Formats: sequence, structure tokens, C-alpha cells
Amino acid sequence: DGGITQSPKYLFRKEGQNVTLSCEQNLNHDAMYWYRQDPGQGLRLIYYSQIVNDFQKGDIAEGYSVSREKKESFPLTVTSAQKNPTAFYLCASSISGWRTNTGELFFGEGSRLTVL
Amino acid sequence: AQTVTQSQPEMSVQEAETVTLSCTYDTSESDYYLFWYKQPPSRQMILVIRQEAYKQQNATENRFSVNFQKAAKSFSLKISDSQLGDAAMYFCAYKVPNSGYALNFGKGTSLLVTP
Repeated sequence: DGGITQSPKYLFRKEGQNVTLSCEQNLNHDAMYWYRQDPGQGLRLIYYSQIVNDFQKGDIAEGYSVSREKKESFPLTVTSAQKNPTAFYLCASSISGWRTNTGELFFGEGSRLTVL
Repeated sequence: AQTVTQSQPEMSVQEAETVTLSCTYDTSESDYYLFWYKQPPSRQMILVIRQEAYKQQNATENRFSVNFQKAAKSFSLKISDSQLGDAAMYFCAYKVPNSGYALNFGKGTSLLVTP
């Protein structure tokens, strides 16, 4: 079945360590996104990529990094510079273009990161 | 920056009754998309309904319908004949044309459905 796979579902990290969250999609979507979800804060955009080898910062990019070497993959690295990394992270994808698609984002099941 | 406001952190409805969740947004764009997403306890985000701003007709999907008031920048979600499975967080979202088509989300409304 087509969809978005995030791994791991749960991750524990010690302070000062970098961690990488995986996001893979087989929907043949050009655009991919990373959101962070905190209680009472909704979803906030970290990074997005509209095409391979290109990505842009979202609203809260500080302390995070991404890469887009393949169309189907968009991993997120949470670096030690991120002051409050404990959160739920959601990856999403969509067809690019304004009028050529329905505008819908398709989401993975999320990854819960806890810093000990 | 565009903002999406959901003024009701929590709502409650009895089974089989109707509930309306509010959403307002701020934008200078004339062409955009609006969405309601549902996030049940599993935390999987599910699209409930979508509205295109250039369409005047309110979108409907089975028991879910919207009241889209473009001039007032209001986009409320009505759930009719509420079911226990409707209990979830509901997020209103606005599609930003100049940020890689990312969605800008409100903070969410937690809906409780009582028997």
C-alpha cells in the first residue's frame, strides 16, 4: 500500500546527542514536510522540500537539519543545538503545484522523541 | 504571517447531537485552501474536509460540513449525528501558496463525545 513511513516511533536521546528521524514515502510525491507537535501548540513547520536536492526552512528550523537526496526520503536530524527537542514529530508529503493537486497533505504516523 | 485561530481548546457533544468547531484565519491572499484534519488518539492525521476559497459552495463530506465565510475569514466545521469515533483533536489548516504549499495549522480543538 502507498503511504508514508516514519521510524522509529519512539526514540530516547541523551542531552548533547544528535538523532535522525527517518521519513520514507512511496506516493511519488514531490513535496515533503516536517512538523513538530507540542501540547497546546498545534503543528509547527520545521522544514519543507518541494524537489530533490532542495529544501527550505519553516517557522522553527533552528536546531534541525534535513536532506533530500532521493525523492522518497526526507530525514530530519535533531541536533544538540535544539534547546527543547522533546516533542512529537510528523512527516508529510503532497503533490507539488498549486492548481494541479487537491492541496492535501498525507501524514506519517509520527515519531515521539524524548530527551533524557 | 498568516495565522489560524481556533478559539475553543475543548468541546463536548452528546452522541447523535450536532457540534460546531470554530476557526478563523488571517490572510491577505484571495486564493487559498482551507482544511479540517482529525487526529484521534492514535495520532494519525486524517483529512476530514477541504474547501477551496474560490468556490462559494460550502464543502460537505457525509456528516461533516463547513460554513465558509470568506469576508469574515471564518471556516467552521459542523459534525452532525456525532459518534463516539468522532472523539479526537481537530485542527483547522490554511494552505500557504508561498511556503512550498505547506499547511499552517491552528492549535486544535479537543472534541469529547459522551454517550
